[in-house]
Amino acid sequence: EAEVAQSPRYKITEKSQAVAFWCDPISGHATLYWYRQILGQGPELLVQFQDESVVDDSQLPKDRFSAERLKGVDSTLKIQPAELGDSAMYLCASTPSAGHSYEQYFGPGTRLTVT
Amino acid sequence: QKEVEQNSGPLSVPEGAIASLNCTYSDRGSQSFFWYRQYSGKSPELIMFIYSNGDKEDGRFTAQLNKASQYVSLLIRDSQPSDSATYLCAVTGSNYKLTFGKGTLLTVNP
Repeated sequence: EAEVAQSPRYKITEKSQAVAFWCDPISGHATLYWYRQILGQGPELLVQFQDESVVDDSQLPKDRFSAERLKGVDSTLKIQPAELGDSAMYLCASTPSAGHSYEQYFGPGTRLTVT
Repeated sequence: QKEVEQNSGPLSVPEGAIASLNCTYSDRGSQSFFWYRQYSGKSPELIMFIYSNGDKEDGRFTAQLNKASQYVSLLIRDSQPSDSATYLCAVTGSNYKLTFGKGTLLTVNP
């Protein structure tokens, strides 16, 4: 069964350091999503890609966060510098394309702890 | 601000009982509705989706949608201790964006 892959699974970093997360969507899926989930909250969309293009990054804190999907396949989310409030689960999901009828399946997530 | 509201719980039910989880949403243009189950420390797992008014059944799970009332629910029959988790309601709005509620913590007591 095809799955979304993410790495690392866990990351501990110090405040002001840089950190990066990687996501490999289900093969053939054109749309990729990055979410952040703070403990006790639902996931919140950070950025959505259609192929290599960003279609929604309205909730991405662009002063410190960046995301890329250069070849329209895997994607990297970067935080520089990390702050204590960035401690959260970072989730990646993918769908064949954007649309109402596509169910989003999540990868295992990366648990980030900033100290 | 498009919102999805859920009771945070915890909702506690005895083993074998029916658990009822509720969700309301504010965007009348919403077209797709999802229920995810999330165990502590794990990522959300899709368990049900519904697009049309009415009921949709899958095994012990039934999703109910009432677009006029902007209400979606999930019923879990014959609840098992393994069903203990946080249940997230998610809605795709008129802009295709998936918005999640904060989740309801369900505890099934043996």
